Amino acid sequence: AQKVTQAQTEISVVEKEDVTLDCVYETRDTTYYLFWYKQPPSGELVFLIRRNSFDEQNEISGRYSWNFQKSTSSFNFTITASQVVDSAVYFCALSGSNYKLTFGKGTLLTVNP
Amino acid sequence: SAVISQKPSRDICQRGTSLTIQCQVDSQVTMMFWYRQQPGQSLTLIATANQGSEATYESGFVIDKFPISRPNLTFSTLTVSNLSPEDSSIYLCSVGQGSIFYEQYFGPGTRLTVT
Repeated sequence: AQKVTQAQTEISVVEKEDVTLDCVYETRDTTYYLFWYKQPPSGELVFLIRRNSFDEQNEISGRYSWNFQKSTSSFNFTITASQVVDSAVYFCALSGSNYKLTFGKGTLLTVNP
Repeated sequence: SAVISQKPSRDICQRGTSLTIQCQVDSQVTMMFWYRQQPGQSLTLIATANQGSEATYESGFVIDKFPISRPNLTFSTLTVSNLSPEDSSIYLCSVGQGSIFYEQYFGPGTRLTVT
């Protein structure tokens, strides 16, 4: 069975602070994919990134960066110099050989001005 | 990525009635999925909608309660039947794209409130 754990339920930061959202996963599949989605107050789910299990390179996209470590089964997401518009619920998700997404419970990020 | 629309965007329904949600994609996709997000909760997969075959339901979800249609490669409907207040949720459709369906993009969701 697949499982995704986001231990941080809520995080509150002040604008321009860096913030890291943690994600730990469990799977028996050797090939799997990890995702991060953003859900702003409007409710729409926005795709941020996908990583496959064979690619452990860290990725940076603007203020966003992701750290994938198979040794610790973690796929953490860092926002540098946070902004108020980053306030949202962030979901980490996992899919394996059956293509189905298993979501973590989400982390509510509040960025205060 | 595909552009996905859902109708209605929100609705308020009475207990015992049904609501049909439509999901339209601007390109042909092989796999479509329906998720439920209960208030303050994460997303749970209801079923996989496959064109030309019956939907595949996840544990805890049954066809009588959540009938799904998939008449073609760009459209699907989810009906939530015999509504109760516990069905109040956001319902989202998603589509799988890429050669191995590993990227899923989501529609804007339908907010259902049952009174």
